[in-house]
Amino acid sequence: NAGVTQTPKFQVLKTGQSMTLQCAQDMNHEYMSWYRQDPGMGLRLIHYSVGAGITDQGEVPNGYNVSRSTTEDFPLRLLSAAPSQTSVYFCASSYYGAEGNEQFFGPGTRLTVL
Amino acid sequence: GDSVTQMEGPVTLSEEAFLTINCTYTATGYPSLFWYVQYPGEGLQLLLKATKADDKGSNKGFEATYRKETTSFHLEKGSVQVSDSAVYFCALSVAGAQKLVFGQGTRLTINP
Repeated sequence: NAGVTQTPKFQVLKTGQSMTLQCAQDMNHEYMSWYRQDPGMGLRLIHYSVGAGITDQGEVPNGYNVSRSTTEDFPLRLLSAAPSQTSVYFCASSYYGAEGNEQFFGPGTRLTVL
Repeated sequence: GDSVTQMEGPVTLSEEAFLTINCTYTATGYPSLFWYVQYPGEGLQLLLKATKADDKGSNKGFEATYRKETTSFHLEKGSVQVSDSAVYFCALSVAGAQKLVFGQGTRLTINP
């Protein structure tokens, strides 16, 4: 199993540009989430999904869209990038019945918005 | 709301020193508690976890005990190595909620 994969690994955008961060998992996990990591703030939840066709907002959803058309994929869209979205983005997945709701993380995407 | 507070970093120690990284939490219900580790340039890996009061999680020489009375989950290691240099995150998950709440992270540097 490849686990949770994310692309791209690095990305530089200009203010106002749009892009999609890709996330895929091959473990047949029901749950998938997006977090952003900022210095001194830990990781904060952006959006999450409990299954195909179902998404919900996390702690910091503004400026981001998600959809979940398949179990495997959970892309994160930035419609109009802003410098405040400069961050490291992590995708995570989990499965129903995971002990303690343990989550499995991808390697991250480092995004810089100029 | 649910929250996690970690010891401020950065923390710098010499090899073979004793390590403690403090973590306290606030949560409704009975959370599960985790320590994740992020090595330089990598994603987060689960280091250890505990799902109920008085449970002790352990892995790679690290330990943490779920203390409900003090709402704490402090990370300890008796003798650190240079390879333990990383950022450590304490996190909680509340039953029925498929999401983690993280502390701010503690950067640990071990000098030879």
